[in-house]
Amino acid sequence: AQTVTQSQPEMSVQEAETVTLSCTYDTSESDYYLFWYKQPPSRQMILVIRQEAYKQQNATENRFSVNFQKAAKSFSLKISDSQLGDAAMYFCAYRSSNAGGTSYGKLTFGQGTILTVHP
Amino acid sequence: GAGVSQSPRYKVAKRGQDVALRCDPISGHVSLFWYQQALGQGPEFLTYFQNEAQLDKSGLPSDRFFAERPEGSVSTLKIQRTQQEDSAVYLCASSSRRTGGREQYFGPGTRLTVT
Repeated sequence: AQTVTQSQPEMSVQEAETVTLSCTYDTSESDYYLFWYKQPPSRQMILVIRQEAYKQQNATENRFSVNFQKAAKSFSLKISDSQLGDAAMYFCAYRSSNAGGTSYGKLTFGQGTILTVHP
Repeated sequence: GAGVSQSPRYKVAKRGQDVALRCDPISGHVSLFWYQQALGQGPEFLTYFQNEAQLDKSGLPSDRFFAERPEGSVSTLKIQRTQQEDSAVYLCASSSRRTGGREQYFGPGTRLTVT
């Protein structure tokens, strides 16, 4: 079974600064997807960024980028130029790409990291 | 619709009562997932539907939990004889692809409190 670990329960950053959230995972599979989701206090989970394991290039989405280290099974999220609206709980999630198997695309989540942005 | 909707948003139940939680996925989405999120924790998978077929219910914590999606669109998660440990936020997510697609779209959740 896959596991996802987020070792930082809380992080804080000053507005306009950069912050990195950590995530490690454990799997025996070679092909999979990794995600970062954002959950503001309203609870609507929103996808921030996705990474396919077969791609060596790190994914980027505007101010959000990842550092994907497949051998180390590490998947960190970097938020540049932090904004007040970035404050939320961030979840790292794993999904098997075993399309022909029984995973059906279910997500395995980490415990989350609460990000506070100070003005 | 514009997104995944869930109702009710909040539900308070007395221990032993039955509850039903509704999920309206994005129109046309094949895959539907239910997750349970305890306070301060990450969501945990409960069950999965592909159209009307429940293909995976390995995450349901007990036989008091039952889910259905009879016409392949709206889904209902039912919890019988609620217990205090059932208190959590129940999230529904849908995806356009059979294998979960590139993204799952989440609803706002139903916060269940069992007293």
